[in-house]
Amino acid sequence: AQKITQTQPGMFVQEKEAVTLDCTYDTSDPSYGLFWYKQPSSGEMIFLIYQGSYDQQNATEGRYSLNFQKARKSANLVISASQLGDSAMYFCAISRDDKIIFGKGTRLHILP
Amino acid sequence: DSGVTQTPKHLITATGQRVTLRCSPRSGDLSVYWYQQSLDQGLQFLIQYYNGEERAKGNILERFSAQQFPDLHSELNLSSLELGDSALYFCASSVGGPGNTIYFGEGSWLTVV
Repeated sequence: AQKITQTQPGMFVQEKEAVTLDCTYDTSDPSYGLFWYKQPSSGEMIFLIYQGSYDQQNATEGRYSLNFQKARKSANLVISASQLGDSAMYFCAISRDDKIIFGKGTRLHILP
Repeated sequence: DSGVTQTPKHLITATGQRVTLRCSPRSGDLSVYWYQQSLDQGLQFLIQYYNGEERAKGNILERFSAQQFPDLHSELNLSSLELGDSALYFCASSVGGPGNTIYFGEGSWLTVV
């Protein structure tokens, strides 16, 4: 069975600082995908970034990058130069075959 | 805008009633997923359809059912509603299976009173 763990229920970060949100996963499958989503207070789920298990390089999308350490089974999200609008809930997810399983999320607060 | 459309956005209903949530996937997407998000349970996978066929089932109650129609839109039926069914219900879609990025609709807020 697959499992996703986000150990930080909440984080407070000063604006313009970089943020790392932790995510570890447990799977015995060689092929899988890892995702990060952002959920602002308005409720919608916004796709941020994807990393395939066979991708050689860490994924990047603008200010978002994924620090993928396959041997450690971790897929941390890094947000550079944080902004007030980054305050939200962030979910890590893993996919394989016919399911995508989400972690419990990390609530990020950006302080002015 | 993700391109996934969910209706209704908000719904208040009484215990014991039945409701239907509707989802139109992004153009070209064949897979539809349903998730339930409540405060104490996080984001729970309910069910996935691919091109009209059920592909995977998660923690979906027997009181709940879903289907995907030939035009690829999907409906989630919730019956004999209980207070604990109050949650945000998301539909998501992807081109293929879960190896592809899934895009979420804005969700349907269900309140059972």
